[in-house]
Amino acid sequence: GAGVSQTPSNKVTEKGKYVELRCDPISGHTALYWYRQSLGQGPEFLIYFQGTGAADDSGLPNDRFFAVRPEGSVSTLKIQRTERGDSAVYLCASSSGFGKQYFGPGTRLTVL
Amino acid sequence: DAKTTQPPSMDCAEGRAANLPCNHSTISGNEYVYWYRQIHSQGPQYIIHGLKNNETNEMASLIITEDRKSSTLILPHATLRDTAVYYCIVSVSTGTASKLTFGTGTRLQVTL
Repeated sequence: GAGVSQTPSNKVTEKGKYVELRCDPISGHTALYWYRQSLGQGPEFLIYFQGTGAADDSGLPNDRFFAVRPEGSVSTLKIQRTERGDSAVYLCASSSGFGKQYFGPGTRLTVL
Repeated sequence: DAKTTQPPSMDCAEGRAANLPCNHSTISGNEYVYWYRQIHSQGPQYIIHGLKNNETNEMASLIITEDRKSSTLILPHATLRDTAVYYCIVSVSTGTASKLTFGTGTRLQVTL
């Protein structure tokens, strides 16, 4: 069956611009997670949703980052006034239970 | 979540067993041990998890010491496609939601 998909696969933007990254989870998965991975590092937790609500957003680095999941399926990670330090691979994962998360291929964000 | 310690890199000959160690000396009684791997340019992939008993599935075996302070992931017959970064993670699993805290993992290189 279809796995987690993320679009776009690559995004290049200029410093100060606004970007949106999309995640389509596996159908029926109630939990959805966003992580960020910098070069040479493991993924870093940003936020997770249980259904439509953000159950834990403790990993969001500042208020320029925001995520939504309005219908409990697709999620969008929004970054305002991008900075060069936001350059990373943004990973999305979904889960139906017991800690087993299925990851998408990621969106590589480059801020020039 | 408890921290884990893994060697930064390991080599293994193709066809041999790869034994990847992990120390988690501060693990709590309700925390599980998870293993994920990340092949270059892909999202992490779930391998196996356990609480205190040894576990085996089609991908690997997980051996957890009796005091639960360390574990070993065993790939019984490593192939070149097993070359990846392997992450050992300890996390409380609460129903569907369990945030994963990744370290830097072990880079396993399988060679001919």
